[in-house]
Amino acid sequence: DAKTTQPNSMESNEEEPVHLPCNHSTISGTDYIHWYRQLPSQGPEYVIHGLTSNVNNRMASLAIAEDRKSSTLILHRATLRDAAVYYCILRGPTGANNLFFGTGTRLTVIP
Amino acid sequence: GAVVSQHPSWVICKSGTSVKIECRSLDFQATTMFWYRQFPKQSLMLMATSNEGSKATYEQGVEKDKFLINHASLTLSTLTVTSAHPEDSSFYICSARLPRYPETQYFGPGTRLLVL
Repeated sequence: DAKTTQPNSMESNEEEPVHLPCNHSTISGTDYIHWYRQLPSQGPEYVIHGLTSNVNNRMASLAIAEDRKSSTLILHRATLRDAAVYYCILRGPTGANNLFFGTGTRLTVIP
Repeated sequence: GAVVSQHPSWVICKSGTSVKIECRSLDFQATTMFWYRQFPKQSLMLMATSNEGSKATYEQGVEKDKFLINHASLTLSTLTVTSAHPEDSSFYICSARLPRYPETQYFGPGTRLLVL
């Protein structure tokens, strides 16, 4: 699986948007970009995934660069419950179905 | 939505004993489940892939005789830590995939193991 690079930590004020970056310069043409988050003392939770086009769901938006070498997870209004470690993961479409977690970005939300 | 449960949520045991952790998919059938381990302040590390009706596939460096995995039904996989030692103390997390949407994994809440 191709490697991803994320900042170790970020801070955001409550109710403000948060942009979490992820670099994946060695991404292959068929790799999907997945985002999971892990709240303290819990298992990870699926957030969103995409291939080429930007994606929106009820939790977040995913903006994918045109060259696909980077992506940004966007939380439109951070709440205290969004404080978690956010993982950006690349996965091929077939074959290996497991996920390889990097170190992720620890998001702190300031009241 | 897809729900995965784990039991127990935490366990304390003496060194040398065996501990069994259950992972259940509550509202769907999962032919494949995954077991991860997470040490404090570290990321998740995949230990093994559990396949219903067949042997588990272990990641490099994970002892299959120490971490026994049984996936006897489409909704249950178990991980048994045999002859546990303090260095096995960790947060063990399982996940499962929805057969129709294999690109997404649903994780259990985790089991915290402390070996004294």
